[in-house]
Amino acid sequence: QVQLQESGPGLVKPSETMSLTCTVSDSIYRYYWTWIRQSPGKGLEYIGYVYHSGNTNYNPSLKSRVTMSIDTSKNQFSLKVTSVTAADTAVYYCASDRGSGYFDYWGQGTLVTVSS
Amino acid sequence: DIQMTQSPSTLSASLGDRVTITCRASQSISRWLAWYQLKPGKAPKLLIYQASSLESGVPPRFSGSGSGTEFTLTISSLQPEDFATYYCQQHNSSPWTFGQGTKVEI
Repeated sequence: QVQLQESGPGLVKPSETMSLTCTVSDSIYRYYWTWIRQSPGKGLEYIGYVYHSGNTNYNPSLKSRVTMSIDTSKNQFSLKVTSVTAADTAVYYCASDRGSGYFDYWGQGTLVTVSS
Repeated sequence: DIQMTQSPSTLSASLGDRVTITCRASQSISRWLAWYQLKPGKAPKLLIYQASSLESGVPPRFSGSGSGTEFTLTISSLQPEDFATYYCQQHNSSPWTFGQGTKVEI
């Protein structure tokens, strides 16, 4: 069973860049590695994925502010969101996708609050 | 983007009840639909993919059905650990999108 663990600052100031990392227990070559978020009181939003080759796919709603990367030597992948606002306050999950567009393993999620 | 609409938003039920949650897509997604269970502070859990395929390790009291634009998740006999929020998600076309969730409460 794949285990994923998110890490990163829980508090980010408006207009700054938010960075999160997900550490993976299994081979990082096996899946598409995905970020999903859930804003307070709202539903789930797909952010995008990164593949071990470095290929990425982002949700058009966030594409201009999102960058994902992968470090195969550390079995980690990362998310950066620039110019954050209060609307980016959410629980951020990392997850695995076998390539079929659904998510079979998830991390527990990490809350990121955007506030001055 | 494909819009996913779940009903009801909240469902009150008792142990042993048969529970059904509905998910509708704004356009046909064939059978490309997944269901997840979310509990506070825990990793979300995949229950069903491709509308009716049960993920390994998921109890058989969970079942999914439907195709096109209308889908259902059924829990045949509600257990204490099933009180949670359930989300559908279309995996027909990117960007993948989720329903707004159905909270199953006592």
